[in-house]
Amino acid sequence: QVQLQESGPGLVKPSQALSLTCTVSGGSISSGSYYWSWIRQPAGKALEWIGRVYPSGSTNYNPSLKSRVTISVDSSKNQFSLTLSSVTAADTAVYYCASGVQGRSHLDSWGQGTLVTVSS
Amino acid sequence: QSVLTQPPSVSAAPGQKVTISCSGSGSNIGNNYVCWYQQLPGTAPKLLIYENKKRPSGIPDRFSGSKSGASATLGITGLHTGDEADYYCGTWDGSLGAVVFGGGTKLTVL
Repeated sequence: QVQLQESGPGLVKPSQALSLTCTVSGGSISSGSYYWSWIRQPAGKALEWIGRVYPSGSTNYNPSLKSRVTISVDSSKNQFSLTLSSVTAADTAVYYCASGVQGRSHLDSWGQGTLVTVSS
Repeated sequence: QSVLTQPPSVSAAPGQKVTISCSGSGSNIGNNYVCWYQQLPGTAPKLLIYENKKRPSGIPDRFSGSKSGASATLGITGLHTGDEADYYCGTWDGSLGAVVFGGGTKLTVL
């Protein structure tokens, strides 16, 4: 199993963009066997799937966030990233990156998560 | 409001068995594999069950999964305090074109 680690600012101002990076170790992000996902969890609430990216760059997004989300892969750095635009306080959450096997929806490896707070 | 419905909480005594239900529809559970995650307090979710009933390496056989129609069930036997956690079901929803999760169930081992 691969290991994943999220990084990025812990505080973002309202209306600005939230940007996070997930670094993959123990395997190649270009492997044709996997896809790479972002999930978030507001404090005390349930998990919410944000979207996923395949090594080819193809993506799927949560329809409720699709207009504001971009997920991309940087193979040269073995990283993938999340950008969420026009954030509000409702976007405050712990953000997780995770990996899954292509053709399956379960996520078998998760990062430890990073808290992002949206506040002025 | 989550697409998949789970009971908010369940409880049982140490050594006993508990089941957690997950209810969906034909566009999600009814036509796709279900998985379950365990989230211990303050930690990231961990895959517990995938493809309805398979266990990843290292997950004890005290944990089991099943699916019938548009519902799925997680079973845990031989409960101990270390099992206290939030449990989430998940699957693909073909109508939404997205992974969906249940609202989570908090397990208390009394």
